[in-house]
Amino acid sequence: ETGVTQTPRHLVMGMTNKKSLKCEQHLGHNAMYWYKQSAKKPLELMFVYSLEERVENNSVPSRFSPECPNSSHLFLHLHTLQPEDSALYLCASSQDPRGSSYNEQFFGPGTRLTVL
Amino acid sequence: GNSVTQMEGPVTLSEEAFLTINCTYTATGYPSLFWYVQYPGEGLQLLLKATKADDKGSNKGFEATYRKETTSFHLEKGSVQVSDSAVYFCALSDDHMRFGAGTRLTVKP
Repeated sequence: ETGVTQTPRHLVMGMTNKKSLKCEQHLGHNAMYWYKQSAKKPLELMFVYSLEERVENNSVPSRFSPECPNSSHLFLHLHTLQPEDSALYLCASSQDPRGSSYNEQFFGPGTRLTVL
Repeated sequence: GNSVTQMEGPVTLSEEAFLTINCTYTATGYPSLFWYVQYPGEGLQLLLKATKADDKGSNKGFEATYRKETTSFHLEKGSVQVSDSAVYFCALSDDHMRFGAGTRLTVKP
């Protein structure tokens, strides 16, 4: 595997379900990100982890719970979601989010989430 | 705060037409500037970047020049193909990556 991988690629869940999204990066990066991409809305940054420490949480509802057990893996735990949470959830990684402005981000293919 | 603004789409062109997608930025300091592309069903991919004023980024026939005097980073391609149909995002990087809203391009044969 190379780059950034995400599983599952598609997920349909009810509002009472609990599920998790998984992201893995094979680039040796130190920072990982979760984004939400909804139709006709700008890309929304949800969470940033640097060296496994959460450095940003952009007022995301508590029904989304991130976890970063090591620098290569990032999870997004989902529970009691709402239909408006249906979106494409993108994971990205970079060398480090702080300091240098040269840090481009590398994205996974996303998980298409539908909440019924 | 720092931000980017890009032209709203959608943009529809015929094959071999000239493409321009405008992007302007607001920033203190000297951010790096990027164009990302998102093909249907995929995540974002870096298309090109420029790290300082007057730099020109280029890739796959696309070009963009970092212009400090006009605070712009417009994306251009001389002859688009059907396979260029995608959503294009302008972005800047200071301490965080900040994305524009995206411009959907459709190229018709």
